[in-house]
Amino acid sequence: KAGVTQTPRYLIKTRGQQVTLSCSPISGHRSVSWYQQTPGQGLQFLFEYFSETQRNKGNFPGRFSGRQFSNSRSEMNVSTLELGDSALYLCASSAWDRVDEQFFGPGTRLTVL
Amino acid sequence: DAKTTQPPSMDCAEGRAANLPCNHSTISGNEYVYWYRQIHSQGPQYIIHGLKNNETNEMASLIITEDRKSSTLILPHATLRDTAVYYCIVRGVNSGGSNYKLTFGKGTLLTVNP
Repeated sequence: KAGVTQTPRYLIKTRGQQVTLSCSPISGHRSVSWYQQTPGQGLQFLFEYFSETQRNKGNFPGRFSGRQFSNSRSEMNVSTLELGDSALYLCASSAWDRVDEQFFGPGTRLTVL
Repeated sequence: DAKTTQPPSMDCAEGRAANLPCNHSTISGNEYVYWYRQIHSQGPQYIIHGLKNNETNEMASLIITEDRKSSTLILPHATLRDTAVYYCIVRGVNSGGSNYKLTFGKGTLLTVNP
């Protein structure tokens, strides 16, 4: 079974631009969560989707948004990029009957110049 | 979620057992202890979790003290590929098929030496 995939793996943007990141969960997984990881702040929860509905949301500004499609694939969008948005963005999925075990993708490394 | 305290770094010889401690003195009765690890440049990887009984799987063993205020992750025969940052996390029970947010602290950098 293929793991969680994220595209693109690396991205360079400039301040003010917007970006869309994509995540494909493990087949059969319906829960998808997004995290931001930086050296200073560590891993911070962004939001979680289940069956196309946002179930939980972290403490990030409205510039950060996401959605989930009927096939469980998810996207997150960051508008009006700031230098501080440079980070590794991780997506994790889990199965209905193993909700405590989250499988992470390799992440998308976003650099904002 | 309860706060956890881990040593910032540890060393272990290849082939020996690695014992990683975690303090979680404010853990509440319905909170589980989870362990994840993150190898450099990869996403975090789930290792094991438990409530109050000791747990073992193909990767590791988890020993939780009787008062549940601390726990130890044991890698029985560490290899060079086990070099990673190990995170101990305490959080409440999930329900309804929903993921629940993970909050990682600084973790312990385990270096396995040849």
